[in-house]
Amino acid sequence: DQQVKQNSPSLSVQEGRISILNCDYTNSMFDYFLWYKKYPAEGPTFLISISSIKDKNEDGRFTVFLNKSAKHLSLHIVPSQPGDSAVYFCAASLMNTGNQFYFGTGTSLTVIP
Amino acid sequence: NAGVTQTPKFRVLKTGQSMTLLCAQDMNHEYMYWYRQDPGMGLRLIHYSVGEGTTAKGEVPDGYNVSRLKKQNFLLGLESAAPSQTSVYFCASSTGTAWGYFGPGTRLTVT
Repeated sequence: DQQVKQNSPSLSVQEGRISILNCDYTNSMFDYFLWYKKYPAEGPTFLISISSIKDKNEDGRFTVFLNKSAKHLSLHIVPSQPGDSAVYFCAASLMNTGNQFYFGTGTSLTVIP
Repeated sequence: NAGVTQTPKFRVLKTGQSMTLLCAQDMNHEYMYWYRQDPGMGLRLIHYSVGEGTTAKGEVPDGYNVSRLKKQNFLLGLESAAPSQTSVYFCASSTGTAWGYFGPGTRLTVT
């Protein structure tokens, strides 16, 4: 059973606008969350992370929000740029279990110039 | 620094054949992982290792074996390939306390 879910397979946004990618998880014990970005024919690359003791983490144009009571996290990209077009995976882990990450199915973001 | 490298990049196997995928990292990471990516399924953990000489099963270990004889290398073996193992395989490494670095992937087709 999928422990991390990304219910939107795709998202299209105009350049300069905000992109919001969503992710839900079922295991309340997860204590560390990540977003990865993946271009075709390449491996995923780390984008941003958040620990369960925080509800927000910001890095430049990227902000991740965590709502533990709702078991929900989101990635905001502002402003969106055409180079942001990629597949975004969220992932969750239990830090005391060998750093195993459980991944969502991914959301394909297209930023339209 | 090459980061995480994977060999080969592409492979086509016939059902029943065997092969080994090699992952190498030059970051002195303790933890290494093998994932597979299938359409609509995201990335699923096959096996992982928390140090040289140790391995453990992930979410989808059946049909695969692994070995970590050297800290920098993590091998994934398919003893008798099946069409269901057609996938893109990613190796990753991490320090165990932070996020992981992924390799570029190996695209495997089993006919």
